[in-house]
Amino acid sequence: GAGVSQSPSNKVTEKGKDVELRCDPISGHTALYWYRQRLGQGLEFLIYFQGNSAPDKSGLPSDRFSAERTGESVSTLTIQRTQQEDSAVYLCASSLLAGGLETQYFGPGTRLLVL
Amino acid sequence: TQLLEQSPQFLSIQEGENLTVYCNSSSVFSSLQWYRQEPGEGPVLLVTVVTGGEVKKLKRLTFQFGDARKDSSLHITAAQPGDTGLYLCTGNMLTFGGGTRLMVKP
Repeated sequence: GAGVSQSPSNKVTEKGKDVELRCDPISGHTALYWYRQRLGQGLEFLIYFQGNSAPDKSGLPSDRFSAERTGESVSTLTIQRTQQEDSAVYLCASSLLAGGLETQYFGPGTRLLVL
Repeated sequence: TQLLEQSPQFLSIQEGENLTVYCNSSSVFSSLQWYRQEPGEGPVLLVTVVTGGEVKKLKRLTFQFGDARKDSSLHITAAQPGDTGLYLCTGNMLTFGGGTRLMVKP
């Protein structure tokens, strides 16, 4: 069975450009999470989806960041007007249901470098 | 906001040594999870603890949930190079600790 996939695996962009990161969760998983991981650090929560709705957007660092999920499946994280401090690994995870007892399955991440 | 602090941040030991890492909070969690992340990969779930005082063993790894459900520890016996990685704790899937980066040298 396929796990969580993310694309692209690596992205190099110039400051000021927009980028779009994609996450394909495990089929049937209703919850989907986005995190940011700076070099050598832990996970910083960005946003999560329950179905196609985002009950908690509190982690989005600024209005340059947005995310959507369609068809209770694929999700995209968009960063507009990228800045050098946006450079990080962006991890996506999915779980069957939302909640602290669920297992999150993580993708391999997208490594974003903003020059 | 529920915060989780992990200690130590870094740990470098020789193969065969024992170690303990900690995950602490001022908040009560209904459950707590430990994940391990290897370089270039996403984290993988190791264990979920639910009951205060609970102890779970996974081969050479022993996890304990504090009686007050505010803290947890992970003890590794006879560490091996394959244990190398970033150990993360989370209480609610939204808040992760900063992690303990473990390196086990052969």
